[in-house]
Amino acid sequence: DAKTTQPPSMDCAEGRAANLPCNHSTISGNEYVYWYRQIHSQGPQYIIHGLKNNETNEMASLIITEDRKSSTLILPHATLRDTAVYYCIVRVAGETSGSRLTFGEGTQLTVNP
Amino acid sequence: GAGVSQSPRYKVAKRGQDVALRCDPISGHVSLFWYQQALGQGPEFLTYFQNEAQLDKSGLPSDRFFAERPEGSVSTLKIQRTQQEDSAVYLCASTRIQGPTEAFFGQGTRLTVV
Repeated sequence: DAKTTQPPSMDCAEGRAANLPCNHSTISGNEYVYWYRQIHSQGPQYIIHGLKNNETNEMASLIITEDRKSSTLILPHATLRDTAVYYCIVRVAGETSGSRLTFGEGTQLTVNP
Repeated sequence: GAGVSQSPRYKVAKRGQDVALRCDPISGHVSLFWYQQALGQGPEFLTYFQNEAQLDKSGLPSDRFFAERPEGSVSTLKIQRTQQEDSAVYLCASTRIQGPTEAFFGQGTRLTVV
């Protein structure tokens, strides 16, 4: 699976948009971009995923560049409960790999009041 | 069930003791994964089951680690002769099908070996 690069930490003011970047310059054509987050003392939580089109759900938006070498997760109105480590993951959905997730270091997002 | 359930939530083991960690995936989920998360690190893959078949155990760090899912639902991760470096949070995740779908994680079991 392709390697991702994320900033180790970011801060955001409550109520403002949080934009979390991720570089995945070696991504292959059949690899998806996934975002998970992990709130302290909990298991990771799925946020969103995409292949090449931008995606939006009730939690966030995912913007993938046209060359697919980077993406941005957008939390439109961050709240204190969004404070967590955010992981950007790229992976191939294959038979034997079982679609396992390869987590990096992630970005610690701190939402400030 | 409503989500992935893991038990116990916390386990303290003396070095050399055997431990068994349980995972109850979401009912009907085909795929089940175990991950190990050291303090301050991201989770690392241990092993994967599709129904009762263990298709990938390449992440198990040693032969002291053993996982099973005999009936394709509940899974147990067993660690024999625990060592201090086994101290970590052990996470279980399940997915409905293979392919690009979301994984649901349990809250994990925090194992401390003393």
